[in-house]
Amino acid sequence: GEDVEQSLFLSVREGDSSVINCTYTDSSSTYLYWYKQEPGAGLQLLTYIFSNMDMKQDQRLTVLLNKKDKHLSLRIADTQTGDSAIYFCAESNFQTGRRALTFGSGTRLQVQP
Amino acid sequence: GAGVSQSPSNKVTEKGKDVELRCDPISGHTALYWYRQRLGQGLEFLIYFQGNSAPDKSGLPSDRFSAERTGESVSTLTIQRTQQEDSAVYLCASSVPKASRGHRLNTEAFFGQGTRLTVV
Repeated sequence: GEDVEQSLFLSVREGDSSVINCTYTDSSSTYLYWYKQEPGAGLQLLTYIFSNMDMKQDQRLTVLLNKKDKHLSLRIADTQTGDSAIYFCAESNFQTGRRALTFGSGTRLQVQP
Repeated sequence: GAGVSQSPSNKVTEKGKDVELRCDPISGHTALYWYRQRLGQGLEFLIYFQGNSAPDKSGLPSDRFSAERTGESVSTLTIQRTQQEDSAVYLCASSVPKASRGHRLNTEAFFGQGTRLTVV
């Protein structure tokens, strides 16, 4: 079945850039997403990218998609302590009729002051 | 309300008892999802409702799990004869499908804060 994998943990210093990586197995994924989960809170959609794009930028966030390698990354510029959270990569494929998003296990980002 | 609302926020139950979890999606959202998140793990898909179509139940882990949805509004997830391995946060999400090139697509899914279920 479909699979999404992420590294478990990333620690950066405040002000540095963070790069969170994700790999997926479904080569016909339609959309790829990044969600943020803060302690005790629900998931919040940060950004998503359509599979025919290779880059999307939104303020401090840059998403890079390498379809050939099935690799997705999220870069957070000038990382702040408020960015500390768990970041989930997710993908969906509507062409096969699979409607639900498949999530990775999440990457815990720790920002050191 | 403005967002997806889930109740209760926390539920402690004895092993073997039945529990019912509720989700109120955002008004107008025709798609509704249930996911389960075990401690330290990612989200595990359980079930998906889309309008009047037959639900996608492919993620339900056993016949002890069932879910209903009334029209395009409230959904309830029922777990019968709860087991300790059912302990998790149960998350509900809703979205509005958008059409593109003849496909109905679900883009942004809005999540509720979840129900933390503890089976003792």
